[in-house]
Amino acid sequence: KAGVTQTPRYLIKTRGQQVTLSCSPISGHRSVSWYQQTPGQGLQFLFEYFSETQRNKGNFPGRFSGRQFSNSRSEMNVSTLELGDSALYLCASSVGQVLDTQYFGPGTRLTVL
Amino acid sequence: KQEVTQIPAALSVPEGENLVLNCSFTDSAIYNLQWFRQDPGKGLTSLLLIQSSQREQTSGRLNASLDKSSGRSTLYIAASQPGDSATYLCAVRSSGSARQLTFGSGTQLTVLP
Repeated sequence: KAGVTQTPRYLIKTRGQQVTLSCSPISGHRSVSWYQQTPGQGLQFLFEYFSETQRNKGNFPGRFSGRQFSNSRSEMNVSTLELGDSALYLCASSVGQVLDTQYFGPGTRLTVL
Repeated sequence: KQEVTQIPAALSVPEGENLVLNCSFTDSAIYNLQWFRQDPGKGLTSLLLIQSSQREQTSGRLNASLDKSSGRSTLYIAASQPGDSATYLCAVRSSGSARQLTFGSGTQLTVLP
């Protein structure tokens, strides 16, 4: 089975722009979660989707949003980018919501100039 | 709010040594705990998942234990190899209303040849 894939792998944007990141989960997985990883804050939970519904949301401003499609693929969007949004954005998928192993993708490295 | 702590932050050992990585969490109301490894600039690789009803899990040279009542988990690596060099992260899935995965800050392991 193919693993979790994320596109693009690298992205450079300027302040004020918006960005959309994509995540394709492992086939058969219905849950997708997003995380932000920075050297200062470590790994922080953004949101979780299951069957196209947001089930959980972390403590991030409303500029961060996401959605999940009927094929379980997910996108996250960050509007009005700030320098502090520079980070590695990781997507993880699992079969179900809470009892199953989370499998992570390689991440999207976002740099905001 | 769940908090996860990993000690030490960094560890350097000679090849062949057995070693233990520690993880502690503040809220024992959890579904499970998962150990990951992360190589520089890469995504996370799942190592072991321990459900709250389990005491330990083993995979090859790795053994993870869970003491939910005391809020502790250990990852034991036997006969360490240079290829084990990576950052090891533990993550706890809380069973409260948040139900999100909370990560520790990781232990950076270096195994010297």
